[in-house]
This record gives sequence, structure tokens and C-alpha cells, in this order.
Amino acid sequence: GDSVTQMEGPVTLSEEAFLTINCTYTATGYPSLFWYVQYPGEGLQLLLKATKADDKGSNKGFEATYRKETTSFHLEKGSVQVSDSAVYFCALGSSNTGKLIFGQGTTLQVKP
Amino acid sequence: DAGITQSPRHKVTETGTPVTLRCHQTENHRYMYWYRQDPGHGLRLIHYSYGVKDTDKGEVSDGYSVSRSKTEDFLLTLESATSSQTSVYFCAISSSGGNTGELFFGEGSRLTVL
Repeated sequence: GDSVTQMEGPVTLSEEAFLTINCTYTATGYPSLFWYVQYPGEGLQLLLKATKADDKGSNKGFEATYRKETTSFHLEKGSVQVSDSAVYFCALGSSNTGKLIFGQGTTLQVKP
Repeated sequence: DAGITQSPRHKVTETGTPVTLRCHQTENHRYMYWYRQDPGHGLRLIHYSYGVKDTDKGEVSDGYSVSRSKTEDFLLTLESATSSQTSVYFCAISSSGGNTGELFFGEGSRLTVL
């Protein structure tokens, strides 16, 4: 069935470092791909999305490109801030089941 | 912020007791979801609803039931709570279905089963 795999955390970076969080997926059909972020003590909120191959989603300095050839949707940011410390979830919108399938989450800690 | 309220936000209960969590929305969205969040598992779908009285099972539905008698309310019931159901439960809503659109999440309900 459809699934999402994220790199394990926690990821610890210094402020202004470059961030990459890897996400790969397995799916039949044509899924949509999402990154959600969860700040401490809060629910998840959508960070960015891409609905078809080669689309690039972007928001708040974060970017991810839908790569069908490598079945990947890696999250990147050029210069992280302490306020980016959160848990990041990659998710796949299954065109088969109509459901959103989440990866296990990656914790990011940014130190000043 | 999307108008989603979960109650209670925190609950401690004993094994074998029934528990009901409530999700209330003011957005008139068609789709509502219950997820549980556990370390190492991310979010897993328990049940979802695609309209009043229309519900279906997710990937971890055993031990849970749901009801949706009004558009704005989606109830999750643990008929007889077990320690394995200790978790943080999130309600989410969507106007167009989770696979294509944005889900809006509540703040979560932390349940501890002793």
C-alpha cells in the first residue's frame, strides 16, 4: 500500500545552517505531497504542498520539489532560525484511498 | 485560525472505563478525522467522516467508535479504555478531503489510561 518514509531525527542544527529533511514515498496513482509542521504544544499545520510531478511547494523560506523519478519530496531551507524548531511531517494524499498518510515525523532543534 | 475545539484537552482515566472525546468545528467543513499521535509512529488515522452519519474506519480503528450526528460535531469513543490507548488524539477537518486539500488540526487531547 501507499506509504511515506522520513529520515529519523532528531536533527540538531546551529542557527543559519542549511536544512534538509529527506522524505520518500511509495504510491500507486498520482498522489499529492505535503509537509506539515507541529510546534511545541500545538496541532499540525500545513507548511507546503505539491500536487503533481516537478511542482515546487514553498512557504516561510522552506521548499520541497515533487520528484517522481526518485519518489522523493525532500524539505529544504537555506538558513534556519531558532523559531523553526518543531516536528516536521511528510504526508502523502493517496489518490487510491482518499486519505492522508503521514510519515513518522522528524524533530528539528535549532540552537542559537 | 480554523475553528476547531477539542474537549477535554487532558484526561486521566482507568483501564476499563469508557471515554468520549469531542471535536467541534465552526467551519462547516464536510470531512472530519480522528488521529492518534505516538512516538515513532507519526500520526495514524483512527476514523473519519465524510458527512453527517457517514463514517469509515482508518488504519487503527480497533477499540474505537465514532459518531457524527451534526456537521459540527465528531465524537470519538473508547468503549473500554486500555493502556495501549494512552496517546495524544488530534481532530482534523477539511473542506475537500485530505488527499487533495489542507487539513486543519485541533490542539489535541492528551489521554492517559492507568
